[in-house]
Amino acid sequence: LAKTTQPISMDSYEGQEVNITCSHNNIATNDYITWYQQFPSQGPRFIIQGYKTKVTNEVASLFIPADRKSSTLSLPRVSLSDTAVYYCLVGDRDSGTYKYIFGTGTRLKVLA
Amino acid sequence: DAGVIQSPRHEVTEMGQEVTLRCKPISGHDYLFWYRQTMMRGLELLIYFNNNVPIDDSGMPEDRFSAKMPNASFSTLKIQPSEPRDSAVYFCASSLAGTNNEQFFGPGTRLTVL
Repeated sequence: LAKTTQPISMDSYEGQEVNITCSHNNIATNDYITWYQQFPSQGPRFIIQGYKTKVTNEVASLFIPADRKSSTLSLPRVSLSDTAVYYCLVGDRDSGTYKYIFGTGTRLKVLA
Repeated sequence: DAGVIQSPRHEVTEMGQEVTLRCKPISGHDYLFWYRQTMMRGLELLIYFNNNVPIDDSGMPEDRFSAKMPNASFSTLKIQPSEPRDSAVYFCASSLAGTNNEQFFGPGTRLTVL
């Protein structure tokens, strides 16, 4: 079964770039890697998704190396409102049934 | 669309009681997911449905948990009997299709079993 590993927590200052890495050693072939953001007392919210190389949208970038065993979420110039927990989500097909596997989550704290 | 709707938002019950959590997915979404979130175990997928049919329930902790989706616009997660270790936030999510599709999460139900 695919296993995902993320740092438990990170601190950053406003205006800095933050990179959060997720290791996923056995993700399903042809499946995307997805990242979610969660604020206290809310459900997770989609941020970005990618298959390989680099993807960028209005809020983040996602870097995925060729072996796809990890991915890095990059948040440019963070602000206090980016304080949240960030999860990666991958899929696994080894057992025959598709399984959705969330990472352990990284608690990002942005300081003024 | 109002998004994924869950009820109740908070539930406090006593050990041994039956608990039913409800979810209305976004209209037109074919997939529905039930998650449980705790500090110790993080976000865990309990079960997911495709077109009202359960696809993977390997995350359901034990026979005390059951989930149904009688139609495309409604699902329930039932715990009977409830135990203090079931205390958690339960999220329902839906997506337009399966793999590689964005999941839209509801606000969650915070369950406390005394």
